[in-house]
Amino acid sequence: DAGVIQSPRHEVTEMGQEVTLRCKPISGHNSLFWYRQTMMRGLELLIYFNNNVPIDDSGMPEDRFSAKMPNASFSTLKIQPSEPRDSAVYFCASSLRSNQPQHFGDGTRLSIL
Amino acid sequence: EDQVTQSPEALRLQEGESSSLNCSYTVSGLRGLFWYRQDPGKGPEFLFTLYSAGEEKEKERLKATLTKKESFLHITAPKPEDSATYLCAVFSGGYNKLIFGAGTRLAVHP
Repeated sequence: DAGVIQSPRHEVTEMGQEVTLRCKPISGHNSLFWYRQTMMRGLELLIYFNNNVPIDDSGMPEDRFSAKMPNASFSTLKIQPSEPRDSAVYFCASSLRSNQPQHFGDGTRLSIL
Repeated sequence: EDQVTQSPEALRLQEGESSSLNCSYTVSGLRGLFWYRQDPGKGPEFLFTLYSAGEEKEKERLKATLTKKESFLHITAPKPEDSATYLCAVFSGGYNKLIFGAGTRLAVHP
């Protein structure tokens, strides 16, 4: 079975540009999560969805970040405008329910110059 | 405040040298403790879920145990391919989300 698929795997862009990260969760999973991983702060939950509805976005750092889940098989995380401090690895994960094991994609390594 | 602390930060073992990784937690309403393995350039890979004190799970050379305050990941006769970062996470009923520890970087040398 296909796991969680993220694209792109790497993104390098200049400060001020819009960045869009994409995620396809595992089919049949009802919960989807966006995380950010840095050396300083480890894995941090940004936002999660249940049945395509955003439940908790308290981890979204500021208004420059937004996430959508238009259907059960696709989600995006957008940063506009991007800043160098947004450089990190962004992971998407999905699970059957929010308290069930989460399965992660291989992440997008984002570098903002 | 819910918190997860892993120790040691890094561990170097010789092949065959058994050891344990620790995950201590304070959480309001534990609804599961999860162990993950993360290889460089990859996402965390799910290993185990433990739900109640006294529970144990095993997979190959790994065994996870749980008490009311901490969990251990025991590695028996490790091999170089066990080298990875091992992450512990607790599902907080209070915050209704997973809270991750900083991880233990394990290096197993031949």
